[in-house]
Parts: sequence; structure tokens; C-alpha cells
Amino acid sequence: DAKTTQPPSMDCAEGRAANLPCNHSTISGNEYVYWYRQIHSQGPQYIIHGLKNNETNEMASLIITEDRKSSTLILPHATLRDTAVYYCIASSSNTGKLIFGQGTTLQVKP
Amino acid sequence: GAVVSQHPSRVICKSGTSVKIECRSLDFQATTMFWYRQFPKKSLMLMATSNEGSKATYEQGVEKDKFLINHASLTLSTLTVTSAHPEDSSFYICSALGQPLSGNTIYFGEGSWLTVV
Repeated sequence: DAKTTQPPSMDCAEGRAANLPCNHSTISGNEYVYWYRQIHSQGPQYIIHGLKNNETNEMASLIITEDRKSSTLILPHATLRDTAVYYCIASSSNTGKLIFGQGTTLQVKP
Repeated sequence: GAVVSQHPSRVICKSGTSVKIECRSLDFQATTMFWYRQFPKKSLMLMATSNEGSKATYEQGVEKDKFLINHASLTLSTLTVTSAHPEDSSFYICSALGQPLSGNTIYFGEGSWLTVV
């Protein structure tokens, strides 16, 4: 699986958009970009995943650059409950095997 | 949507005893499940891949005789920590690949806290 690089921490004001970047410059053609988040003492929660096209669901939007070497997770209106560690993972979808990096700790502040 | 459930959520056991943690896919069949462990303030570390009807595949450095994995059905995988020691105290999490209904999305259980005293 391709290695991903994320900033260790970020702050965001409540109600504003949170933009979390991820670099995956060695991603291969069959690897998807997955985003999960983990709130303290809980299992990771699925947010979104994509291959090359931008994706949007009820939780977030995923913007993948045309060369697929980086992506951005967008939480359009962050709330205090969005405070969590966010993990960006590149993996082949047919294996289910996810290798976690250190993630980004997002702190949403009032 | 797809749900993965773990049981127990918290367990305390004595040193030297064994403890079993269950991982169930509630509304889909999972031929493959994964077991992770997580220490406080650290990221998840993949321990093993659990394959229905065959032996589990362990990551490098994980003792297969200590962490026994059984995947006897398409909806249940179990992790047994044998001869537990205090250093085995950790947060154990499972995941399952949901297909085809879930579009190859990978879902995680709520996690199980193990404390060995």
C-alpha cells in the first residue's frame, strides 16, 4: 500500500469548513484513497473513499488531484463533534487491508 | 448500512488466563476480517488477516500462537489472547470488508478494551 503523509494536527473554528490534506505521491493505479476518523476510545468511522473522481456524501467531500498524488477531505461545516483523529489511507479496495499512519488530529474550537 | 459488532467492549482478565473477543458482521457476509491493536495515543497496528475457512495470516512480529484467530463462519471471527500478560492490555479492533452490497467499503467494530491484571 502506498504511504500517506498528513499533518499531525489542525485546528478549525466551529461552523467553518475543515480542509484536511493528504499526500500519497506513490499511489498506484488500483489503490483507492480512504478516509476514516476515530473519536477517542471508539473504532474508526468510515467517512468516504474515492479512486480518481471527486466524491461527496452526507459527511464530507473528497477532492483528489488529477495526478492522484494528493487529496483533501472537506468537512463543510465543522462541529465540535467532528473533533477526532482523521486517517487518510491508500489501499486496493479488493483486499480490505488498511495500513494506518499517524493521522491528523483535528480540533474544532468554539 | 453495514455494521460490525465486537464483544465484549471491555474485559478484565488475570495474568495467565485466556480471553476471547468476537467480531461479527451484522448485515453482510465477510469472507475476510482484520484484527488491529491500538495502544494509547498511538495509531492502529494491523495484527492479522482472518480468512473464512482457512488459516489467518499474521503480520510480521505478531505471535500466532499467542493471538489465535478463528473465522468459522461468514459473519464471525474470534481473537483469543492466550496466556495473557499485562503488556497485552490494549484496545483491540476488528474490521470487515463489506461486499458486494457495501461497494467494497471497510467497516470497523467498536473495539474491545482488554486489561490484564
